Amino acid sequence: QITLKESGPTLVKPTQTLTLTCTFSGFSLSTSAVGVGWIRQPPGKALEWLGVIYWDDDKRYTPSLKSRLTITMDTSKNQVVLTMTNMDPVDTATYYCAHFAYSHYDYYFDYWGQGTLVTVSS
Amino acid sequence: QTVVTQEPSLTVSPGGTVTLTCASSTGPVTSGYFPNWFQQKPGQAPRALIYSTTNKHSWTPARFSGSLLGGKAALTLSGVQPEDEAEYYCLLFYGGVQHYVFGPGTKLTVL
Repeated sequence: QITLKESGPTLVKPTQTLTLTCTFSGFSLSTSAVGVGWIRQPPGKALEWLGVIYWDDDKRYTPSLKSRLTITMDTSKNQVVLTMTNMDPVDTATYYCAHFAYSHYDYYFDYWGQGTLVTVSS
Repeated sequence: QTVVTQEPSLTVSPGGTVTLTCASSTGPVTSGYFPNWFQQKPGQAPRALIYSTTNKHSWTPARFSGSLLGGKAALTLSGVQPEDEAEYYCLLFYGGVQHYVFGPGTKLTVL
């Protein structure tokens, strides 16, 4: 059974750096063709894909936020960490992590964490 | 800037059929975009429904189906239930630049 859970601060100040941790179970990032993605959702708004880290430590980021995002993994701890610099009130959102799997024929996000609400305010 | 579009809102009667679509600003959506569909109810995390255009997850009810329709990805609900009232998001994979884009969501009302 695959589970994921996000953790981190609920409140950050403008210009600060946000660090969120996704702790997962039921799969390993040492296994080929899997990954963990990050998605966020401002209150009352749509989902936004932020980035993904693949089993081989390859990473991809959404172009609009690429300069501010870093995703890393610790396979021994079954954790993936999202870092976002220079936080602004518009970054207030629920942040989700999700299990990702792919093959030549399939790409999908299937299991999601419950999400964590991060508020950016002074 | 890649833009994905969906119908802002749709209304369907219980027991009816409704189709939601997902279009890309880059041109026709094909299977190579590996369309994914998600359902989200208020206060809940998204739930995956369909992947790679037509494939259902093990938990996806049979009344949900995915397809390509007129250059768009499509999600069809047949025999709609009251509990299907939710926001539905599509996700497309842009392989050339290796990133993903969500649509703005369709609010489905069952009335």
